Amino acid sequence: DSGVTQTPKHLITATGQRVTLRCSPRSGDLSVYWYQQSLDQGLQFLIHYYNGEERAKGNILERFSAQQFPDLHSELNLSSLELGDSALYFCASSIRGGRYNEQFFGPGTRLTVL
Amino acid sequence: AQTVTQSQPEMSVQEAETVTLSCTYDTSESDYYLFWYKQPPSRQMILVIRQEAYKQQNATENRFSVNFQKAAKSFSLKISDSQLGDAAMYFCAYSNGQTGANNLFFGTGTRLTVIP
Repeated sequence: DSGVTQTPKHLITATGQRVTLRCSPRSGDLSVYWYQQSLDQGLQFLIHYYNGEERAKGNILERFSAQQFPDLHSELNLSSLELGDSALYFCASSIRGGRYNEQFFGPGTRLTVL
Repeated sequence: AQTVTQSQPEMSVQEAETVTLSCTYDTSESDYYLFWYKQPPSRQMILVIRQEAYKQQNATENRFSVNFQKAAKSFSLKISDSQLGDAAMYFCAYSNGQTGANNLFFGTGTRLTVIP
């Protein structure tokens, strides 16, 4: 158990819908990262938040957005869903300034868009 | 841009034998970190081993060790005394050493099968 929690574990929805994925980092970790793992794109970095502020963006679509709240949990919002958005979405957390840049991954949320 | 390449989509090894998974990367940075992550059928991402670029000594964690060749930008993972529980997808990953820019770049993965 990495200490990072993600809800829900599974999500099935229809095209055009909007969903919210939730992540709670390890106690004390200020950084939250979101990654997408799909069959055709592999594991890709989406976005990084540190202590409530956005720090870096990767290959995140404009239909996707995220935020980190004062209690440090983070939410990833996916809207106008398309079939190609079906993937496993991971959240990872780390200590800012941690010497090894080690990230601890949650169990992931599997999103299926029908 | 940083890229990570794993040229072996699949590998297999006999139980108790040794196997080496290959990884190369491309970066213009001098300070960075390299990682191997294991993803078993449960899909959980588990850190296996990490290497700091400034360290010349290769990292070792029990049966897992790396061969880090900085000049060649190569970072291979050696698994000794392979066990059935080692069967998984293995991802090589790169992270920039600068704080605030340390998201992970992943390779495409190598699926390891352990034959009893």
